[in-house]
Amino acid sequence: AQSVTQLGSHVSVSEGALVLLRCNYSSSVPPYLFWYVQYPNQGLQLLLKYTSAATLVKGINGFEAEFKKSETSFHLTKPSAHMSDAAEYFCAVIGGSQGNLIFGKGTKLSVKP
Amino acid sequence: KAGVTQTPRYLIKTRGQQVTLSCSPISGHRSVSWYQQTPGQGLQFLFEYFSETQRNKGNFPGRFSGRQFSNSRSEMNVSTLELGDSALYLCASSLEGAVGYTFGSGTRLTVV
Repeated sequence: AQSVTQLGSHVSVSEGALVLLRCNYSSSVPPYLFWYVQYPNQGLQLLLKYTSAATLVKGINGFEAEFKKSETSFHLTKPSAHMSDAAEYFCAVIGGSQGNLIFGKGTKLSVKP
Repeated sequence: KAGVTQTPRYLIKTRGQQVTLSCSPISGHRSVSWYQQTPGQGLQFLFEYFSETQRNKGNFPGRFSGRQFSNSRSEMNVSTLELGDSALYLCASSLEGAVGYTFGSGTRLTVV
């Protein structure tokens, strides 16, 4: 069965520093992988998705993620953090027989001035 | 174009009552999925509807039900509310054949 694990429930960075949010997946088939962001009292906004077209995926707001099959990872990065990036980030994979999204537990990103 | 619209945004209900939440998908999207988000369990899949038929279902009790109308709008119903049903309920729509889901802003349900 497909699953995702997000390492670190909280990550804190300084404004301008590199953002790295970790996600490892488990899948018996080539996965479809997603990163979503959630601001307080809001729904989920799609940052980017991997659909096997290219291993380096660029998303909105300067985020990108690299699919590494050998490491079963899909880590999210941004070269320079901005205060507006403070939010909760969810990694997700499309599940097996049901085809629904299976989410990680989320990583809350704090950005210090 | 308009996004996924969920109404109402906030609800307060009493234990034992029932509640109905509404979701209007993006125009042209015929698939609607529902998710429950709680601090303890995270984001969990409830069910998915496509062309008025439930296509998939998560591991929730029968008190949770849904339906979809011919215009693709969907409702979910929770009967005999329990305190543990307090959560953010998110609806997502997708285009058949496309990989991706667009989420609404959610309905925050509080059971007291």
